[in-house]
Amino acid sequence: GAVVSQHPSWVICKSGTSVKIECRSLDFQATTMFWYRQFPKQSLMLMATSNEGSKATYEQGVEKDKFLINHASLTLSTLTVTSAHPEDSSFYICSANSPRTEAFFGQGTRLTVV
Amino acid sequence: AQKVTQAQTEISVVEKEDVTLDCVYETRDTTYYLFWYKQPPSGELVFLIRRNSFDEQNEISGRYSWNFQKSTSSFNFTITASQVVDSAVYFCALENTGFQKLVFGTGTRLLVSP
Repeated sequence: GAVVSQHPSWVICKSGTSVKIECRSLDFQATTMFWYRQFPKQSLMLMATSNEGSKATYEQGVEKDKFLINHASLTLSTLTVTSAHPEDSSFYICSANSPRTEAFFGQGTRLTVV
Repeated sequence: AQKVTQAQTEISVVEKEDVTLDCVYETRDTTYYLFWYKQPPSGELVFLIRRNSFDEQNEISGRYSWNFQKSTSSFNFTITASQVVDSAVYFCALENTGFQKLVFGTGTRLLVSP
């Protein structure tokens, strides 16, 4: 079946540095991918919609300059957390829909900023 | 606006008990999808079911069953003869047809003890 691969699965970075997370659809093309964030013991909240070949659409309250999204191909979207701070520590997970089926989620990335 | 409510924050049962996880949703759209996902401690989201708003038939898959009642805007999930491996956080989610992005409930943590 369709698979979405997310990398890395976990990352620890120093405060002030940037971290890039990749989301790949492995056997289907995804013109749209989604990035969610989940704080500990909380629900998943949509951060942004990643659109291939155009700008991402951010949800209210999400800083687009801090969370840079690039969707340069039909199988890859990247989320870069710029100038990360401890409060950005969270679980980030992407999803992509194959045509006419449910959303497939990546494995998620656990980010810890120290 | 779309909203998903999972009123049960945490449920504890003993193995072999049956357990029902509640999900109530709100949407103004007439066509939508409802989902259930399982999130084990490792974090990945495991897809369990997708239900179209026009299909109110209950579904059974092994020990899992779902009861979709449009009249009460509910999509409840029952695990029969629970097992320790069922311990996880379960999320109910709503997708308005054509938008692909999901609105998640706050999740229900299920603890199944031996």
